[in-house]
Amino acid sequence: QKEVEQDPGPLSVPEGAIVSLNCTYSNSAFQYFMWYRQYSRKGPELLMYTYSSGNKEDGRFTAQVDKSSKYISLFIRDSQPSDSATYLCAMSALAGNQFYFGTGTSLTVIP
Amino acid sequence: GAVVSQHPSWVICKSGTSVKIECRSLDFQATTMFWYRQFPKQSLMLMATSNEGSKATYEQGVEKDKFLINHASLTLSTLTVTSAHPEDSSFYICSARPDGSPLHFGNGTRLTVT
Repeated sequence: QKEVEQDPGPLSVPEGAIVSLNCTYSNSAFQYFMWYRQYSRKGPELLMYTYSSGNKEDGRFTAQVDKSSKYISLFIRDSQPSDSATYLCAMSALAGNQFYFGTGTSLTVIP
Repeated sequence: GAVVSQHPSWVICKSGTSVKIECRSLDFQATTMFWYRQFPKQSLMLMATSNEGSKATYEQGVEKDKFLINHASLTLSTLTVTSAHPEDSSFYICSARPDGSPLHFGNGTRLTVT
């Protein structure tokens, strides 16, 4: 079993839709959860990170962590064509330098 | 803050030559930097962890003599692909983290070996 599982998609939604991106993980030692956005031929860009269970909101983006279910989500409200990218989840144990990445979900927002 | 700069963004080289890629942390010091490789439509594959002032730690299956890493200062790590071959063509990305922060990535280097 992989440490981190993420549905690769592709996911295609109309502009303005709410997008839900998800990852599951198996290691209960993971305490640090991140979401990255990667445009084609660019490096990943940090979108959000959180240490704890619950929700964290930043503009149109909400990161949700459920440690009891080992499940994290990223919600994008009022999606825009500029949100079209690959979204990677990542996680690590707090004390370590080892990061585990999902395979990425490809998202296309259609105008 | 937490900007990681990578250079060059793309490079084309002939088979048998060597290519050096630079990774700099612009506004923080990084005792550790990470080098990833990414194939099309795939996730990031950690190649090695670069440690300032000491040897890099390579992941299993990564040839240390092929991918030379030097981390000579707290803000600069370099990856040299030696005697490059077409199968080394890929997208290479470096990353670093300020203390207690998540990873921040450079913009990647697309290497094409002809």
